[in-house]
Amino acid sequence: GENVEQHPSTLSVQEGDSAVIKCTYSDSASNYFPWYKQELGKRPQLIIDIRSNVGEKKDQRIAVTLNKTAKHFSLHITETQPEDSAVYFCAASKVGGSNYKLTFGKGTLLTVNP
Amino acid sequence: EAQVTQNPRYLITVTGKKLTVTCSQNMNHEYMSWYRQDPGLGLRQIYYSMNVEVTDKGDVPEGYKVSRKEKRNFPLILESPSPNQTSLYFCATGPGLAGYEQYFGPGTRLTVT
Repeated sequence: GENVEQHPSTLSVQEGDSAVIKCTYSDSASNYFPWYKQELGKRPQLIIDIRSNVGEKKDQRIAVTLNKTAKHFSLHITETQPEDSAVYFCAASKVGGSNYKLTFGKGTLLTVNP
Repeated sequence: EAQVTQNPRYLITVTGKKLTVTCSQNMNHEYMSWYRQDPGLGLRQIYYSMNVEVTDKGDVPEGYKVSRKEKRNFPLILESPSPNQTSLYFCATGPGLAGYEQYFGPGTRLTVT
């Protein structure tokens, strides 16, 4: 089955700096890669996703890049703010087949220091 | 208002006592799924369902059962809970494929002693 590795497990940055979280996946057939943000005591919420036919996607201060050859994808947050502090999860899935599993990485605790 | 609800939100039980955690959604979503979240292990999928009467195993299905008799409900059943099933459980729903956004419920904190 799919295996998703996520690094780093913790990340501390100063407000205004950039943050990068990286994930690798094992199944070359995976074609959908979402990122979820989970604030303390809350439920996970989708913040951005990318499909395998796209190399990069941006939404304001958040961007995701995908390298299919290397089987890795990354989340980039620019101009970080204290409210960006949360646990971030990457995930990988095969869309369109009979397998609808979503495999998550183990998460990255991002702390943005004011 | 679009909602995913779970009940109970907190539960402390003893080993071997059967329990059910309910999940209900009002978004007419075809896809529903259960995850457990444990420190250092992230979110792991237990079971998922593509539609009524269609269910399949996720990555950690052992010790759990599910059923999908109605589109809006997807209960998680622990026939004989054990302490290693102590966890935070999330139900999630989506429009149809795992490729679309999944909406998570508020979570159920389960402790098995």
